[in-house]
Amino acid sequence: QVQLQESGPGLVKPSQTLSLTCSVSNGSISSGDYYWSWIRQPPGKGLEWIGYVSNSGRTYDNPSLKSRVTISVDSSKNQFSLRLTSLIAADTAVYYCARRHIEMAVALDAFDIWGQGTMVTVSS
Amino acid sequence: DIQMTQSPSSLSASVGDRVTITCRASQSISTYLNWYQQKPGKAPKLLIFGAFNLQSGVPSRFSGSGSGTDFTLTVSSLQPEDLATYYCQQSFTIPYNFGQGTKLEIK
Repeated sequence: QVQLQESGPGLVKPSQTLSLTCSVSNGSISSGDYYWSWIRQPPGKGLEWIGYVSNSGRTYDNPSLKSRVTISVDSSKNQFSLRLTSLIAADTAVYYCARRHIEMAVALDAFDIWGQGTMVTVSS
Repeated sequence: DIQMTQSPSSLSASVGDRVTITCRASQSISTYLNWYQQKPGKAPKLLIFGAFNLQSGVPSRFSGSGSGTDFTLTVSSLQPEDLATYYCQQSFTIPYNFGQGTKLEIK
């Protein structure tokens, strides 16, 4: 079973850039019709989709984040990454990496595998 | 953007009860609707995809229905381990918005 694990700093200062990495194990990031995604959850609140990268490097992100997002894939390391610039306090959240799995034959288009999440606090 | 609205925001029910959670999309999303369960301190888990398809390993007491703009998640006989917050999510178009969540408590 494919597993995902987030890593990165727990505390970042306002106006700085957050960099997170998601390591994929028990499977290749390059195989299958998958889109490697980031989703976040502020404390006590709901889920917000941030964006995704395909295994070919095509990316899409949430327009609400106003182009502060860069998502990339490193197939040689079986990892994908998130960069979020110009951090503010409202970016404080648990950040999850997740696999978006598309299989139209069975009407599947969902986030079927999630990492455990990593808490990021934006504070000086 | 497509807005997803869940109701109720919270509910309390007894073991063995039948529980229904509703999700409404601001425009038609066909059956591009997924349901997730998030237990306290844990990552969300996919329960239902494509509005009514049960994810592998999910107990059959969970079921989904609906199409277009109105969807429901039903738990046929509530169990203590179903204590969680449930989210709907549309996969029809970017951005892939989630509902605000329904917190399910056990009486």
